Amino acid sequence: DVKVTQSSRYLVKRTGEKVFLECVQDMDHENMFWYRQDPGLGLRLIYFSYDVKMKEKGDIPEGYSVSREKKERFSLILESASTNQTSMYLCASSRGAGNQPQHFGDGTRLSIL
Amino acid sequence: GEDVEQSLFLSVREGDSSVINCTYTDSSSTYLYWYKQEPGAGLQLLTYIFSNMDMKQDQRLTVLLNKKDKHLSLRIADTQTGDSAIYFCAETLLSTDKLIFGTGTRLQVFP
Repeated sequence: DVKVTQSSRYLVKRTGEKVFLECVQDMDHENMFWYRQDPGLGLRLIYFSYDVKMKEKGDIPEGYSVSREKKERFSLILESASTNQTSMYLCASSRGAGNQPQHFGDGTRLSIL
Repeated sequence: GEDVEQSLFLSVREGDSSVINCTYTDSSSTYLYWYKQEPGAGLQLLTYIFSNMDMKQDQRLTVLLNKKDKHLSLRIADTQTGDSAIYFCAETLLSTDKLIFGTGTRLQVFP
């Protein structure tokens, strides 16, 4: 079974802090994704990566950056957290063979005070 | 642009069948997926269908695809209280690994 692990289920941070959300997958998947999920807005893609050290902007990259130094790990960084970044963050991974299903972690519920 | 639409809510009695519907706009869809999200959890892949198929059955789940009408449905037979969750329809487009998600259908199963 594919395992995608997000480092925290719940996280509370303050406005202006630099926040790191970590995601690790154990299936040697090439692709990794970060989404945020908000009521009424569904899932929105923030950033994704097709390979180590590669990154692509998704639909809502503003205020975020990512890092993929190792194949199994994809980090989402909030450079200076703001209250409108309070959300559920979901990480996913998939094989790079084209049109492969994405497998999700359990999510991190982030609150910015 | 690409768009995937679902109704927001569905309520069914335990033991009945549930049918969750989804429509999509992009005819270049290659794979269509159904995910389940339980409260406070991530998305669990339930099943998926390739766009050249009409139907796929997996135990209590039946997926029907009408490519002409761009309509996808998920039927859950003998619905149980443990099926209560949000169900997301998603598509991938030709030559991309990105998923386009619907807004999700909240299924409530009552005794």
